Amino acid sequence: EADIYQTPRYLVIGTGKKITLECSQTMGHDKMYWYQQDPGMELHLIHYSYGVNSTEKGDLSSESTVSRIRTEHFPLTLESARPSHTSQYLCASSEQLAGGIGTNTDTQYFGPGTRLTVL
Amino acid sequence: DQQVKQNSPSLSVQEGRISILNCDYTNSMFDYFLWYKKYPAEGPTFLISISSIKDKNEDGRFTVFLNKSAKHLSLHIVPSQPGDSAVYFCAASAGNNYGQNFVFGPGTRLSVLP
Repeated sequence: EADIYQTPRYLVIGTGKKITLECSQTMGHDKMYWYQQDPGMELHLIHYSYGVNSTEKGDLSSESTVSRIRTEHFPLTLESARPSHTSQYLCASSEQLAGGIGTNTDTQYFGPGTRLTVL
Repeated sequence: DQQVKQNSPSLSVQEGRISILNCDYTNSMFDYFLWYKKYPAEGPTFLISISSIKDKNEDGRFTVFLNKSAKHLSLHIVPSQPGDSAVYFCAASAGNNYGQNFVFGPGTRLSVLP
């Protein structure tokens, strides 16, 4: 079972509030990810990190920011939440095993998610 | 444009029968594919994967088939059980470079009827 945790699991807040979604993993994985998912839709990558002090924006534009000061911790922050930010946020981590073409064995392990509702 | 497609939003199967979930992709550089299962209010759970050097991978009741020429993969679950009822996501990645990320399909909701 994957050791990756997200808090809070559910959050309902008002517009304009600053929030931080927490994600921690105890597997020592270098790569971590944040995805956003709306009901019935695919997971969209919004941020990822290769390791400490490395952060990159994902495929889907997001007004959130992330930081990676410690290997195990990858928090996501919204400075001013809006109703359009209402969604499920999923954190994941992976440890890619190097190899030749066709031998990629990277597997992402997901946390339980945070369901955010902005009123 | 979606690079990974799961054209069936939902599928219903009788308990004990075979469930076949399909996934199509457009990027010929994808060489690694995974299936994830997701229950409501939980994160996706890794199920099974396949590398492009194979055309089949089996793990218990789950088998994934890859047809590279058709850019198509499928997940077979035999026999299907009520506990298999969940949303199944197909995901793909290109190459083994450290910077490659996964692209997910929209998911197929499987309902296994008792």
